[in-house]
Amino acid sequence: GAGVSQSPSNKVTEKGKDVELRCDPISGHTALYWYRQRLGQGLEFLIYFQGNSAPDKSGLPSDRFSAERTGESVSTLTIQRTQQEDSAVYLCASSSNRGYEQFFGPGTRLTVL
Amino acid sequence: AQTVTQSQPEMSVQEAETVTLSCTYDTSESDYYLFWYKQPPSRQMILVIRQEAYKQQNATENRFSVNFQKAAKSFSLKISDSQLGDAAMYFCASLSLRGGNKLVFGAGTILRVKS
Repeated sequence: GAGVSQSPSNKVTEKGKDVELRCDPISGHTALYWYRQRLGQGLEFLIYFQGNSAPDKSGLPSDRFSAERTGESVSTLTIQRTQQEDSAVYLCASSSNRGYEQFFGPGTRLTVL
Repeated sequence: AQTVTQSQPEMSVQEAETVTLSCTYDTSESDYYLFWYKQPPSRQMILVIRQEAYKQQNATENRFSVNFQKAAKSFSLKISDSQLGDAAMYFCASLSLRGGNKLVFGAGTILRVKS
């Protein structure tokens, strides 16, 4: 596709449920990033993929959060046993081999009731 | 560790006027990049301008320019001839290639443009 896409656009879930958020990066981009944006705040780094491996998972806030990437393409961010503090917009970005310019998707707004 | 600080939670500018958004950063790296991103209500993060730290010349992109003061670790954004479409949240961000290529963001500045 022309840009980074994410699905769903919005997700409302109940506390304790698991959710999966999907990111489709720009075709050919080897690097993929997940960020979290709480209401009225800046973006916080969660995890970075280079190809299918994740050399930097330092931003994942707890072991309830995990992510995978397959085929050097699609990535899924999974949040288990969601809590109300997980409510945020989750943004995905991708970049080419050169690495430093990141292109963002429109984000998934997660609301945990 | 890198940190980015935006000390202006909100700014207003009259249409056609000029406004400057402030940003300071801290890093121990010598090789890094700085960015300004715009986020309208649609949530889409749009790259406005970028600056390589090794370049002394300030970056410009049409009506947008930066004042990069490396010694002071300051990276302000100037928007000239402000337009209604410039209204958005603006984020300053830094990236260190040795820091895993992750962007470190400031808290953002809401820019309001008055007609």
